[in-house]
Amino acid sequence: TQLLEQSPQFLSIQEGENLTVYCNSSSVFSSLQWYRQEPGEGPVLLVTVVTGGEVKKLKRLTFQFGDARKDSSLHITAAQPGDTGLYLCAGAAESSNTGKLIFGQGTTLQVKP
Amino acid sequence: NAGVMQNPRHLVRRRGQEARLRCSPMKGHSHVYWYRQLPEEGLKFMVYLQKENIIDESGMPKERFSAEFPKEGPSILRIQQVVRGDSAAYFCASQSTWSSGSDTQYFGPGTRLTVL
Repeated sequence: TQLLEQSPQFLSIQEGENLTVYCNSSSVFSSLQWYRQEPGEGPVLLVTVVTGGEVKKLKRLTFQFGDARKDSSLHITAAQPGDTGLYLCAGAAESSNTGKLIFGQGTTLQVKP
Repeated sequence: NAGVMQNPRHLVRRRGQEARLRCSPMKGHSHVYWYRQLPEEGLKFMVYLQKENIIDESGMPKERFSAEFPKEGPSILRIQQVVRGDSAAYFCASQSTWSSGSDTQYFGPGTRLTVL
């Protein structure tokens, strides 16, 4: 069974702090996606990383794909209350021939003003 | 959610009834994936369809669940004789095409199924 371990599961920080969320696996992924999900809504795509070692930036969010394409991280700089939400990583295993996504358990982030 | 439509958004059924969940993919997308999110759990893959074909149903329960994606119209996830354990959020995701390294899926808002 392919797993994507996401940590931490819960994070409560003060506005202005930095944080990092990790996704790790023993499997190689052909791509990895980060989503944000609000209560009662579907996951909204933030970024897709494809190349090992790739770094993508989206304003205060920095996404990195590990060199071996087995892990990824999301770093948020100077978190704001508007960043509060559920963050999900999801990958398509390289061994898969259908592209189905394996999801991490999610990280619930609370940013207090 | 990038144009993927799902309906109904909320569905309440009594045990033993049937539930039909619909998904219209983004325009131009011919690949549809269904995922289920049980309370306090992550999203789990159920089934992958292309127009008129089921490609991978390895995540779908063997009994009571079926899916289709006809040539015309939305993809349908059907659950017969629902039980309380079927209560969950069901998400559809669409993709324009699939090849290794090009796997971006766009999700709909989901259908929240409650079985009484």
